[in-house]
Amino acid sequence: SAVISQKPSRDICQRGTSLTIQCQVDSQVTMMFWYRQQPGQSLTLIATANQGSEATYESGFVIDKFPISRPNLTFSTLTVSNMSPEDSSIYLCSAERAIEQFFGPGTRLTVL
Amino acid sequence: EDKVVQSPLSLVVHEGDTVTLNCSYEVTNFRSLLWYKQEKKAPTFLFMLTSSGIEKKSGRLSSILDKKELFSILNITATQTGDSAIYLCAVVDGGATNKLIFGTGTLLAVQP
Repeated sequence: SAVISQKPSRDICQRGTSLTIQCQVDSQVTMMFWYRQQPGQSLTLIATANQGSEATYESGFVIDKFPISRPNLTFSTLTVSNMSPEDSSIYLCSAERAIEQFFGPGTRLTVL
Repeated sequence: EDKVVQSPLSLVVHEGDTVTLNCSYEVTNFRSLLWYKQEKKAPTFLFMLTSSGIEKKSGRLSSILDKKELFSILNITATQTGDSAIYLCAVVDGGATNKLIFGTGTLLAVQP
């Protein structure tokens, strides 16, 4: 399995501000993914973070709101921009290795 | 539109009971089906199923896939309070990115 760390683990933010979440994998992986889990709901894929190219966003998610970086094969960031209370959620990073996907511990974001 | 549906949405049982969780899917580019257990934030991997009719087992948990009828079940025998969690089913979309399409989850509560 892969060991994935995320920071911050949680944050409380004011509306209109932005937060960048970092995801670090213990070894090189090809694919990294960012998911959102809103209260009481299942996981929804935001985007696939591709190394060396722009992220691929799912329907309903746009780069201006959720810019993603993938500077190398072990690291990615997700920024939640111009936050509103509706962005309060758990944000999870995952990585694929040998067709299995492993998840980071998640970032619990509360927007006031 | 691709979708993954789990049932029941929630379930309350007593210790020692056996439970069966269901997952049905309609995914155009099916590659594999994964089961996860989510207790706090990060889902933890349980099983990956790619072939029909082959049961995967891990202790009191087992799972099987039916690719003809497009469903999977997760069985937990002799349940314990530590089995209380959300159980997530996800299908790997074997397109360009191997993204996961998650079901709604089943909330299992095991009472002493």
